[in-house]
Amino acid sequence: EAGVVQSPRYKIIEKKQPVAFWCNPISGHNTLYWYRQNLGQGPELLIRYENEEAVDDSQLPKDRFSAERLKGVDSTLKIQPAELGDSAVYLCASSLSRLGVGELFFGEGSRLTVL
Amino acid sequence: GDSVTQMEGPVTLSEEAFLTINCTYTATGYPSLFWYVQYPGEGLQLLLKATKADDKGSNKGFEATYRKETTSFHLEKGSVQVSDSAVYFCALSAANSKLTFGKGITLSVRP
Repeated sequence: EAGVVQSPRYKIIEKKQPVAFWCNPISGHNTLYWYRQNLGQGPELLIRYENEEAVDDSQLPKDRFSAERLKGVDSTLKIQPAELGDSAVYLCASSLSRLGVGELFFGEGSRLTVL
Repeated sequence: GDSVTQMEGPVTLSEEAFLTINCTYTATGYPSLFWYVQYPGEGLQLLLKATKADDKGSNKGFEATYRKETTSFHLEKGSVQVSDSAVYFCALSAANSKLTFGKGITLSVRP
C-alpha cells in the first residue's frame, strides 16, 4: 500500500514569491494534517482536516498561508508571498480517525528554502 | 498549554550499549503519549505509544512507560544497533486532539 505522498521534495524560491505543496494521503484516511518543522525543532501543526472540513487551523498564518482539500482526498498548502522565515520542512500526515489521535502516517516532507 | 520536553542531544553510543532518552510533559487532563522516529531519508513513523498511566508501549526492542506521577515517558532500549541511528521525537495528544511534539533528539550508534 502506498504511503503519504508529497511533492515537491525540495523547493528553492526567492522571498515574496508564491509556493505550493501537494499531498496525497493514504487511501481511505479521512484525517489530513499539515505540519511545519523548523531546523532542530519538532513538527508544529498548521492545519487539520476531517474530510473536506478544516477543523483546526488556529496555527495557520492566514495572512499568507492557505490550504484546501476540496474533495476530501489530496490537499494543497500555499504560501503567498513567502518570507525568509518560512524556510522549513512542510510535512503532511494522514490518519484514520477511528485509530485515535496520534497514530499519524507521515510523508517524507517538502523542504522549502527561501532566499 | 501542552508541551513536551526532551533531553538535549545529540547522543552517541557504541553498539550494544543501553539507551535512555528522557521525555517529560505538561498537559491538562490525561494525554496519550507517543514516540516517533525518523530514520535518515525517511518520514516520521510511530515507534510506540501508551494511552493511560502505567501503560508500557514497546516495539523493536524499545520500551517506554507512562509515569503520571513524574509526568514522564522515557524511551529505553537494552542493546542499541547501528540501524537505530535516527531522530527520536516524544509527543503527546491531549483533550484538544492535537499532537504536540518535543524538539527531537539525534541518536548515532557507532559499530
